[in-house]
Formats: sequence, structure tokens, C-alpha cells
Amino acid sequence: DGGITQSPKYLFRKEGQNVTLSCEQNLNHDAMYWYRQDPGQGLRLIYYSQIVNDFQKGDIAEGYSVSREKKESFPLTVTSAQKNPTAFYLCASSIGPLESPLHFGNGTRLTVT
Amino acid sequence: QKEVEQDPGPLSVPEGAIVSLNCTYSNSAFQYFMWYRQYSRKGPELLMYTYSSGNKEDGRFTAQVDKSSKYISLFIRDSQPSDSATYLCAMSAGETSGSRLTFGEGTQLTVNP
Repeated sequence: DGGITQSPKYLFRKEGQNVTLSCEQNLNHDAMYWYRQDPGQGLRLIYYSQIVNDFQKGDIAEGYSVSREKKESFPLTVTSAQKNPTAFYLCASSIGPLESPLHFGNGTRLTVT
Repeated sequence: QKEVEQDPGPLSVPEGAIVSLNCTYSNSAFQYFMWYRQYSRKGPELLMYTYSSGNKEDGRFTAQVDKSSKYISLFIRDSQPSDSATYLCAMSAGETSGSRLTFGEGTQLTVNP
């Protein structure tokens, strides 16, 4: 079955440490996205990539970094510069950039203490 | 003021009820409208996808768009306990998907047996 795999499901880190969240898709989708979900707020876009080796900042990119070396993979690093990193992180993909619906993974819940 | 407003609920209904979920928006350029369903600790999954105004029906679900009022609705007929989830509306102006998709904060629905 095609889909998006995010790992791990739960992640715990100490403040000041960088942490990388994994996202892999086997849908052969060109575009991939990272969103953050917090209670009382809609999904907010962190970074997105429409093709390999290219990515753009979303609305809340500060304190995050990404890479897109392969079509299937779009890892997100939460750096120590991110002020409020504890959140539910969702990776998504779409077949192309033109109004196509998003397919989401099941998320990674990151807790930083 | 948020670009997309969605009552977070929680909304609790008896099994078999008709459920109405709504979003209002302020950006008149929005023309692609989506509804996602998100079960607890899972990623959102696409339920309905509509373009411009009008109705779209899929089984027990009907999506309605009224661009003149900047108002979209999702109706669930004969609601089931398995419909208990958070429902997210999302919309875009159609420049690129994902990168300019604006989400509501979601409405939490519980259908009681």
C-alpha cells in the first residue's frame, strides 16, 4: 500500500538538542510538506518542497531546517533555535503543486523538556 | 482576525443525527475547498474536495460552498460513532497546493451511540 510514513510516533528531547523527524513516501508524489499542529490553531506550514533539491520556507520556518535529496524523503530538523518545539508534526505530500489534495502521514508528537 | 474561522466545538450528537460543520473565510480569492477528517493521534485524511461554489455529495457526506457569503459547510447524514473525529476545513486560492493552503483549527465531533 502506498502512503506516507513518519517516524518515530513519539519523540522526547531535552531543551537545547537538535532533533530530526523522518518522513518517507512511496506515492511517487513530487511535492512534500511539513506542518505543525497546536491546540486551538489550524495547521501551519513550516517548509515545503516541490521538487528534489529545492525547498521553500513556509509561514513558520524559523528554528527548523529541511533537506530534499531524494524524491521519497523529506526530513525535518527541529533546532535548538525553535522557541516552542513541543507540538504535533505532520508530513504531507501531493501529486503536484496545482491544487492537488494533500496526503498526510500519521504524525510525530515531539515533546521537549 | 484569522483568515479562516471554524468553531472548535466540541460538538456532541446522538447516533443518526444530521451534523452540520461550518467554516467562514475572509479571502475572496479562495476557490478550492477541502474537508479533512482527523482521528485522534492520526494524520488528517481528505473527505471532500470542491472547486468554486455549489454542492458535492459522497455517500453520507455533502459539501456545500457559498462564495457570495464566504461560507462552507459539511453535512453528515445518519451520523455514526465512527464519525467521531476532528473535522478540518482547508482552502486555497489556487496558486499552488499545500504551499498556500489555509486550514481552520478544526471542529471536534463526538457521535454518541
